[in-house]
Amino acid sequence: DIVLTQSPALAVSLGQRATISCKTNQNVDYYGNSYMHWYQQKPGQQPKLLIYLASNLASGIPARFSGRGSGTDFTLTIDPVEADDTATYYCQQSRNLTWTFGGGTKLELK
Amino acid sequence: EVQLVETGGGLVQPGRSLKLSCVASGFTFNNYWMSWTRQAPGKGLEWVASITNSGGSTYYPDSVKGRFTISRDNAQNTLYLQMNSLRSEDTATYYCTSGEDPYYFDYWGQGVMVTVSS
Repeated sequence: DIVLTQSPALAVSLGQRATISCKTNQNVDYYGNSYMHWYQQKPGQQPKLLIYLASNLASGIPARFSGRGSGTDFTLTIDPVEADDTATYYCQQSRNLTWTFGGGTKLELK
Repeated sequence: EVQLVETGGGLVQPGRSLKLSCVASGFTFNNYWMSWTRQAPGKGLEWVASITNSGGSTYYPDSVKGRFTISRDNAQNTLYLQMNSLRSEDTATYYCTSGEDPYYFDYWGQGVMVTVSS
């Protein structure tokens, strides 16, 4: 099974950059694509897709959000951080037609 | 506008069964793979099941394989999750999910709560 590891929490000041990491125990690249995706979830709401295939911005998501990485190491960057960005962020892989999520990183403001 | 509306949740005793439904609208249902994802109270997300657009293939993690069955009725734009032999660890909010691509989930329902307890 592919396991995704995220740090549990991150505190960042308003207007600064937040970098959230996700590491996998197996390569999630396949035929030129990295099957890594990112979601934002606020309390009491369903998750929202932010980034798909490692670096593609989902529809309606502001350009403050970006994703990068390949193989087993991926990052989600929010720059600059706004107050509305306080949420839990999940990475998710979909290599080999299995879909697994990381444990989530809770983003808080300093 | 895409809408996914889940129903069928509730309180059920361990070992019993429950069937969830998800009615989809705002997109061509029979063109899309569909999935169920769940979230235990205060915990992270866990993928539960996926089904191809035709319904010809299904996928499950080991945690539910043999107990849960995903199915769909393309004529009724409806997705189902039959849950048998329920356990306390199946207690969660269950989300109906889909997307432009089978590999990630653009669309999420509001979720339906399932509580397994005696």
